[in-house]
Amino acid sequence: AQSVTQLGSHVSVSEGALVLLRCNYSSSVPPYLFWYVQYPNQGLQLLLKYTTGATLVKGINGFEAEFKKSETSFHLTKPSAHMSDAAEYFCAVSDQNSGYSTLTFGKGTMLLVSP
Amino acid sequence: SQTIHQWPATLVQPVGSPLSLECTVEGTSNPNLYWYRQAAGRGLQLLFYSVGIGQISSEVPQNLSASRPQDRQFILSSKKLLLSDSGFYLCAWRKSGGNPMNTEAFFGQGTRLTVV
Repeated sequence: AQSVTQLGSHVSVSEGALVLLRCNYSSSVPPYLFWYVQYPNQGLQLLLKYTTGATLVKGINGFEAEFKKSETSFHLTKPSAHMSDAAEYFCAVSDQNSGYSTLTFGKGTMLLVSP
Repeated sequence: SQTIHQWPATLVQPVGSPLSLECTVEGTSNPNLYWYRQAAGRGLQLLFYSVGIGQISSEVPQNLSASRPQDRQFILSSKKLLLSDSGFYLCAWRKSGGNPMNTEAFFGQGTRLTVV
């Protein structure tokens, strides 16, 4: 089974600072990777995904992530944090169970942005 | 365009009472459907998934069950709620066909269940 590990349950940054949220995956096959964002008491919204091709993936709201096979990583970055980026972020990998595809999520990282 | 509806948004139920959460998807056919539960600090736990009407797979044994009576309807149920059933429940769908591994999931707004 595939899995993802998100390092750091909470990350704090100042407004305007670089955002870096870490995700490492474990996969026996080429992975398909996703980043989602969740605002309080809401569902998850897709930020970006990596399937094949270009390893630097750009998403919504100025976020991007780079797939590094040698490091089994898919870290999420944003050059300059906004107050509105405060939310919980989840990394996920596509998994297969009994021939069917599911998404396996990390435990999430809460991003706190201070003025 | 496709939309997913999940209700109710919040629910407070006594221990031992039944549960029924409903999720419907519009604008697509034969979606793969999922129920997740989210507990603080524990990420999302996959509870059930379905690839078609009447086809339900359970990820973990528990006090809950799921049904798919129609193509785009997915229901999460319990006959008798436990305190440990409290949490945030999320329904999601993914496109079927093609390569399902590289398709994203789309989530409903969630149901906050508190068992008292």
